[in-house]
Amino acid sequence: GEDVEQSLFLSVREGDSSVINCTYTDSSSTYLYWYKQEPGAGLQLLTYIFSNMDMKQDQRLTVLLNKKDKHLSLRIADTQTGDSAIYFCAETYQTGANNLFFGTGTRLTVIP
Amino acid sequence: DGGITQSPKYLFRKEGQNVTLSCEQNLNHDAMYWYRQDPGQGLRLIYYSQIVNDFQKGDIAEGYSVSREKKESFPLTVTSAQKNPTAFYLCATSSRSSYNSPLHFGNGTRLTVT
Repeated sequence: GEDVEQSLFLSVREGDSSVINCTYTDSSSTYLYWYKQEPGAGLQLLTYIFSNMDMKQDQRLTVLLNKKDKHLSLRIADTQTGDSAIYFCAETYQTGANNLFFGTGTRLTVIP
Repeated sequence: DGGITQSPKYLFRKEGQNVTLSCEQNLNHDAMYWYRQDPGQGLRLIYYSQIVNDFQKGDIAEGYSVSREKKESFPLTVTSAQKNPTAFYLCATSSRSSYNSPLHFGNGTRLTVT
């Protein structure tokens, strides 16, 4: 089955860049997503990238996709304390049902 | 997400009791999903429904049941057969049950069974 892996923890200083990494095994992945979860809340979609793209930038967020290595990353520029949360990557493949496979999540802690 | 309401936010039950978690949406989305979240394990799909009166098992459906009698509602029942029911449960919706329709999540229900 599909396997999506992430590091569990990341700490950065306020103002630095954060890079959260994700690897996946399914080469037929079509869309790859980044979600953010704040404490006690649901998941919020941050951004997504289609598998034929290498990069997508949206304000402070940059998504990089290396399809050959099945590696996805999320870079947050000028990280703020409000960015502290759990970040999930997720991937889906081309089927009739919307079925995302989630990573374990990376808990980002921003140190003031 | 204000369009998806999960209630209650916290739920406590004794072992051996069935319990039903509510999920209501006003987004007019066709598809609805239930996920379970445990620390360090990400999200796992319990059940999903693409249209009214139809639903499919996800990866961990044993010990759970659902119904989809209305487009707006997708309640999840955690039965006494679920061996380890204490978890954070998330309901989600999407506008089309296809791969390029992102999920929208409710704020979750934390169930504690003692």
